[in-house]
Order: sequence, then structure tokens, then C-alpha cells
Amino acid sequence: AQTVTQSQPEMSVQEAETVTLSCTYDTSESDYYLFWYKQPPSRQMILVIRQEAYKQQNATENRFSVNFQKAAKSFSLKISDSQLGDAAMYFCAYRNTGNQFYFGTGTSLTVIP
Amino acid sequence: NAGVTQTPKFRILKIGQSMTLQCAQDMNHNYMYWYRQDPGMGLKLIYYSVGAGITDKGEVPNGYNVSRSTTEDFPLRLELAAPSQTSVYFCASSYERRVNTQYFGPGTRLTVL
Repeated sequence: AQTVTQSQPEMSVQEAETVTLSCTYDTSESDYYLFWYKQPPSRQMILVIRQEAYKQQNATENRFSVNFQKAAKSFSLKISDSQLGDAAMYFCAYRNTGNQFYFGTGTSLTVIP
Repeated sequence: NAGVTQTPKFRILKIGQSMTLQCAQDMNHNYMYWYRQDPGMGLKLIYYSVGAGITDKGEVPNGYNVSRSTTEDFPLRLELAAPSQTSVYFCASSYERRVNTQYFGPGTRLTVL
């Protein structure tokens, strides 16, 4: 089974600053998809950004961008101009060709006013 | 368009009791999933379905059963509740296509005493 590792249980960032959340994964597949999900205290899982492994270009969604390093099996999330509403648990997820998803253990992000 | 709905939101069970967690989606998604999230952990896949009448085991299927008689509904059955099944349960759905994003329900918090 694939594994997803998030080595930072907690991170904090000053409002308006930039923070990077780390994620690594283990797979022998060449075709797969990677996601970052946000889980606020409401527990709802919200998609932040996704990346197809066959694309070399890093995905970007407004203030959120990824650094996808396929050879290193690394998929970090950068949040620019951090806002109070960004405070949440962030989960990295891997989807294989069988449409099964594997999640990391999460990083709790605190935004300091 | 309600998205993915789950009932109940909260439930307390006694050891050995049975219950069914309901999940429904109105987006005509082929794929549906059940996850559990233990405190401080990521999501673990319990069961998933690629269409009506087709289900398959995920990482942690023991103690659970599912059925998929319609595209819209994907109930999760706990037959003999155990304290180890205390968790938050999430249902999700997605389209069957190359880049599919999961849409999550709000979750059910289950406590087994």
C-alpha cells in the first residue's frame, strides 16, 4: 500500500506571511494524483489543490501553490499571504490508478494575528 | 444540490450494538467511499464502491459492511460495535474520470462505550 507522510504535526505562521507544509509519499506507480485537503474545526474536508503526476508544472490556486518533486516523491504546499481563515488541519492525499486514496496524518496550522 | 449528506451527526453506542451510518449524494457520482478518522490521525479507507452493486475493501474493513443498491446511497453497517470503532466517519464521492476530486460529507462522530 502507498504511504503518505507529513512530518510536521504542527506549524504556525504570522498573518500575511508565507508558510510551507511538507508531504512525502511512497509509491512504485508512475501515474497518480496528489491532493491537499483542509479540515477546519467544522470537520468538513475541503479540497485546496490537486496535482497530476504526469504534469511537470506545479499547480497553483490563488494563494496556494505546490512544489511537486516527482523524483524525490515530495509534494509540499505553500500558502502565501496567510489569513486567519487558513487556520485548520491540512491533509496531504495520494490517489492511485485504482481510485483509492491514502491520507497523511495531517499538519495543524495556526495563524497568528 | 445538497452534495454529500451523512446521518446521524453524532451517535453513542454500547458495546455489541449495531447501527447503520447513512450516506447519500445527489451529484450522480460513480465512486463512493467510507473513511474513518481517529484522533490526531489521517483518514483511513474502510470500503469503497465504483458503482451500484460493486463494493470493495479498503485498508481497514474489519467490523464493517457496506452495500450499494443505488448510485445515490452507500450505507455503512457496524454489526457488533467495539470501543476500537470510536471514530469520526466520513463518506465521500467522486466522478469516474482521470482527475477526480472527492467531495466529502460533514462526518459522523461515533462513540462506543
